[in-house]
Amino acid sequence: DGGITQSPKYLFRKEGQNVTLSCEQNLNHDAMYWYRQDPGQGLRLIYYSQIVNDFQKGDIAEGYSVSREKKESFPLTVTSAQKNPTAFYLCASSPRQGNSNQPQHFGDGTRLSIL
Amino acid sequence: QKEVEQDPGPLSVPEGAIVSLNCTYSNSAFQYFMWYRQYSRKGPELLMYTYSSGNKEDGRFTAQVDKSSKYISLFIRDSQPSDSATYLCAMRANAGKSTFGDGTTLTVKP
Repeated sequence: DGGITQSPKYLFRKEGQNVTLSCEQNLNHDAMYWYRQDPGQGLRLIYYSQIVNDFQKGDIAEGYSVSREKKESFPLTVTSAQKNPTAFYLCASSPRQGNSNQPQHFGDGTRLSIL
Repeated sequence: QKEVEQDPGPLSVPEGAIVSLNCTYSNSAFQYFMWYRQYSRKGPELLMYTYSSGNKEDGRFTAQVDKSSKYISLFIRDSQPSDSATYLCAMRANAGKSTFGDGTTLTVKP
């Protein structure tokens, strides 16, 4: 089945540590996104990529980094500079904006906590 | 002020009730409107997707968009316990990023 796979489901970070969240899609979508969701709040955009080897900052990019070396993969690194990383992280993908008007599809998230 | 405001809830209804979930927005450039359902510890799942003003029906779900009032609604008829979830509205302009509401948590009691 086509879909978006996020791993791991749960992740714990120690102080001063960088951690990487995985996102893989087999929907052949060009665009991919990372969102952060805090309790009782909506989704806030961290980074997005509309094509391989290109990505843009979203609304809350500080303390995060991404890469887009393959169409299927868009890993997110939460760096030690992100002082409040505890949240639910969601990856999404969609056909590229401007070419199609289809909405985003989401993975099942990674819950990151501080040890 | 946020671009998208969603009724915060939580909302609790008896099984079989009609549920109305609502969002207002301020950006007149928004043309595409989505409703997502999110179960606990899961990613959002697309429920409804509409373009511009009007109604769209899919089974027990009806999405309504009133661009003149900058107001969208999702109606759930004959609500079931399995409808208990958080509902997120989202919207975007023609080629822009999506903006999400904060979500309304719905509980349908048997």
